[in-house]
Amino acid sequence: DAGVIQSPRHEVTEMGQEVTLRCKPISGHNSLFWYRQTMMRGLELLIYFNNNVPIDDSGMPEDRFSAKMPNASFSTLKIQPSEPRDSAVYFCASSLGAGDQPQHFGDGTRLSIL
Amino acid sequence: GENVEQHPSTLSVQEGDSAVIKCTYSDSASNYFPWYKQELGKGPQLIIDIRSNVGEKKDQRIAVTLNKTAKHFSLHITETQPEDSAVYFCAEELTFGTGTRLTIIP
Repeated sequence: DAGVIQSPRHEVTEMGQEVTLRCKPISGHNSLFWYRQTMMRGLELLIYFNNNVPIDDSGMPEDRFSAKMPNASFSTLKIQPSEPRDSAVYFCASSLGAGDQPQHFGDGTRLSIL
Repeated sequence: GENVEQHPSTLSVQEGDSAVIKCTYSDSASNYFPWYKQELGKGPQLIIDIRSNVGEKKDQRIAVTLNKTAKHFSLHITETQPEDSAVYFCAEELTFGTGTRLTIIP
């Protein structure tokens, strides 16, 4: 069975550019999560969706970050404009519930902003 | 969950010995406590979880204990093997601990 699929695996771009990260959750899962992982701050929840609706976006750092889930099989996380401090590994995860079910993580997108 | 503290941050264990990682949490209403293992270049993968109505759960060499009164939960790995080397994260629902880098010394 296919797990959570993220693309691209790596992204290197110059500051000021728009960055779009993509995620395909596991079929049948109704919750989707975006996380950011850095050495300094660890694994941080940015936003999560339930049934395609954003439930909690309190972790989104600032207005430069936005996330959408137009349907049950696709989500995007966009950064515009990007800054060097946005460099991190971004993970998408999906599950059958919100905080009380196991999450299945993708292998992440390693983002470097120069 | 608001805050999850995880200790130690690094742990080296001789192969065959046991490893214990501990976490504390703050929200007494939390009900779900998973543990994840993250290998290099991969996303975290669930290895075991426990719910608040259970005090202990075991799966082969891995066990988790939960003390709701003290708001502590722990991961125990027995008979450690080189492939157990990884970073381990505890979580209180959607809030993750800071991780423990476990190294198994052959």
